Amino acid sequence: EPEVTQTPSHQVTQMGQEVILRCVPISNHLYFYWYRQILGQKVEFLVSFYNNEISEKSEIFDDQFSVERPDGSNFTLKIRSTKLEDSAMYFCASTADRAQDNSPLHFGNGTRLTVT
Amino acid sequence: AQRVTQPEKLLSVFKGAPVELKCNYSYSGSPELFWYVQYSRQRLQLLLRHISRESIKGFTADLNKGETSFHLKKPFAQEEDSAMYYCASQVGFQKLVFGTGTRLLVSP
Repeated sequence: EPEVTQTPSHQVTQMGQEVILRCVPISNHLYFYWYRQILGQKVEFLVSFYNNEISEKSEIFDDQFSVERPDGSNFTLKIRSTKLEDSAMYFCASTADRAQDNSPLHFGNGTRLTVT
Repeated sequence: AQRVTQPEKLLSVFKGAPVELKCNYSYSGSPELFWYVQYSRQRLQLLLRHISRESIKGFTADLNKGETSFHLKKPFAQEEDSAMYYCASQVGFQKLVFGTGTRLLVSP
C-alpha cells in the first residue's frame, strides 16, 4: 500500500535557525496537509494545500511558516526562524478527496523537531 | 468552531474486558466523525468513520446526535489493541479537528 513518507525522522536545530521538513505525499493525491503535535498535547492543524496554493491555515501558521511543492512529488514545510515552542512532532498528510468519502487522510510517520 | 473532547487520557483494561473510549463533539451542524489509531512507533491511521457504519478490528462507534457523542467500543479487548486513539471531526471540506487522544492499555 502506498505511504506518505517524511524526512528526516528527527531534526535537532538551534533557536533562530531555519528548518525544512520534507514530505512525499501519495502520488495520486491532490490535497496536502501539515499537522503538529506538541508533546502531551493534541494533534493540531497547521495548513492545507491544493493546486499549488494554501487553501486554509490556522492561527499557528504565522509568517515564520511557509509551505511549498517545489516539484511534482515533494511537499515541504519551512520554519524560518525556529523558536523553542516549535519543538513538536510534525505530521504530513495527503488525500485524494477532501471530504474523505472515498479517500481517507493518510499520514506520514512524522518528523520530531527539537529546538534547543 | 469545531471541538472534540476525549475526557480520558488513559484507559487501562485487562484482556477480554469491554472497552469504551469516549468522544464528544461540539458543532451545531452535522460533522463527519472519525476514529484514528496510532500504534507504538507507527503512523496515525484511520480506524473507522461514522458514515461507513462498519466494524474494524472488532471496534464500532455509533454517532449519537442527541448526546453529541461518538464513543468507540469493543466488547473484548486484545493486547494488540494497545495504542493511542484519536477522535476527529470534519465539517464539509474543512480541516480535520482532533481530540487530545486516549491511550488504551490492554494488560494480559
